[in-house]
Amino acid sequence: EDKVVQSPLSLVVHEGDTVTLNCSYEVTNFRSLLWYKQEKKAPTFLFMLTSSGIEKKSGRLSSILDKKELFSILNITATQTGDSAVYLCAEGSGNTGKLIFGQGTTLQVKP
Amino acid sequence: GAGVSQSPSNKVTEKGKDVELRCDPISGHTALYWYRQSLGQGLEFLIYFQGNSAPDKSGLPSDRFSAERTGGSVSTLTIQRTQQEDSAVYLCASSSRAGGRLVNSPLHFGNGTRLTVT
Repeated sequence: EDKVVQSPLSLVVHEGDTVTLNCSYEVTNFRSLLWYKQEKKAPTFLFMLTSSGIEKKSGRLSSILDKKELFSILNITATQTGDSAVYLCAEGSGNTGKLIFGQGTTLQVKP
Repeated sequence: GAGVSQSPSNKVTEKGKDVELRCDPISGHTALYWYRQSLGQGLEFLIYFQGNSAPDKSGLPSDRFSAERTGGSVSTLTIQRTQQEDSAVYLCASSSRAGGRLVNSPLHFGNGTRLTVT
């Protein structure tokens, strides 16, 4: 059964800190790995990764995928209070289109 | 529409009653998904519709749950004889997938329906 595991489950940091969120997966037919940010309601899309070793970057956020070791990381540099959210990792496998989500990492950034 | 629209935003129902949750996807999106999110948990896949293909119902937790998608657009998730453990946020998402391949087409989520079964 396909599985996605995120760590840590929760994290508290202070503004300006750099954080690394982890996502490991076990899939039978990997297609892509996606990161989402969920603040209060709808998760919003951050990154989709399909190739190993290619970093995707958006402002202070970046992500990279390692298909050999079956994991991805999401980095946030110079964190701000607005980064406080639940970060969700999901993998899309096979041809069904079904995305399997991890349990999320709750990040709290204190002023 | 501009985004995925779900209604109602909140629903409180008594145990044993049936409920219907509605999802209006982004216009032109062929794929539609339902997920459930319990308090402090990740997203649990329920069901997936893609075009005219048979839906993937593999995530529905029991036969009390069903969903349909009319005319390839609006979808309704129905929960019969609700139980307290059905309390959760039900999220709908759509994407512009084509040919069954997830290529540069991330899911766009609605704000969800918060269901409380008393």
